[in-house]
Amino acid sequence: EAQVTQNPRYLITVTGKKLTVTCSQNMNHEYMSWYRQDPGLGLRQIYYSMNVEVTDKGDVPEGYKVSRKEKRNFPLILESPSPNQTSLYFCASKDRGTDYGYTFGSGTRLTVV
Amino acid sequence: GQNIDQPTEMTATEGAIVQINCTYQTSGFNGLFWYQQHAGEAPTFLSYNVLDGLEEKGRFSSFLSRSKGYSYLLLKELQMKDSASYLCAVRDRAGTYKYIFGTGTRLKVLA
Repeated sequence: EAQVTQNPRYLITVTGKKLTVTCSQNMNHEYMSWYRQDPGLGLRQIYYSMNVEVTDKGDVPEGYKVSRKEKRNFPLILESPSPNQTSLYFCASKDRGTDYGYTFGSGTRLTVV
Repeated sequence: GQNIDQPTEMTATEGAIVQINCTYQTSGFNGLFWYQQHAGEAPTFLSYNVLDGLEEKGRFSSFLSRSKGYSYLLLKELQMKDSASYLCAVRDRAGTYKYIFGTGTRLKVLA
């Protein structure tokens, strides 16, 4: 089945403890992106990658890191999480063609206390 | 600045037709997307417009006017399962993958 897989689905952590949210897609998509979704603010782009070893900042990159060493994987790293990073996170991938939208992962609900 | 506006909530009756509007002001434009998102779930892609006019896909249609910075999503023969949030997103220019999302319109379909 074509899909984007994120892990974990739920995570509660403490301020300052490094964490990684994994994302993997099996559709051979070149483009991948991370979003956070907050009430009243909609989906905001954190980072995106147009191909292996090519990443760029979205609108809210502060406090996050990403890497794209393989085409299928695009992990999101929070080096020192803070409570304002409590949010619902989505990974998404997309084929190069512009007529198709994203395929989203199921989401990761992160709480930082 | 970059801005996408959608109504926050709408209510409609099963079997009816509903139109969800989206207006945008972005530095560039290279396509407008509509997504459906059920509560607690991931968004799913519905439609894409890059040229002016109407695109029809079964019960769903999407319209775009680039000169007015305006789009709408039309849902016909509403079903209870259409109760969801509908997100409008703009790709601001070709050659990048920067997408700007609206905050979404929560649609409630009543029996």
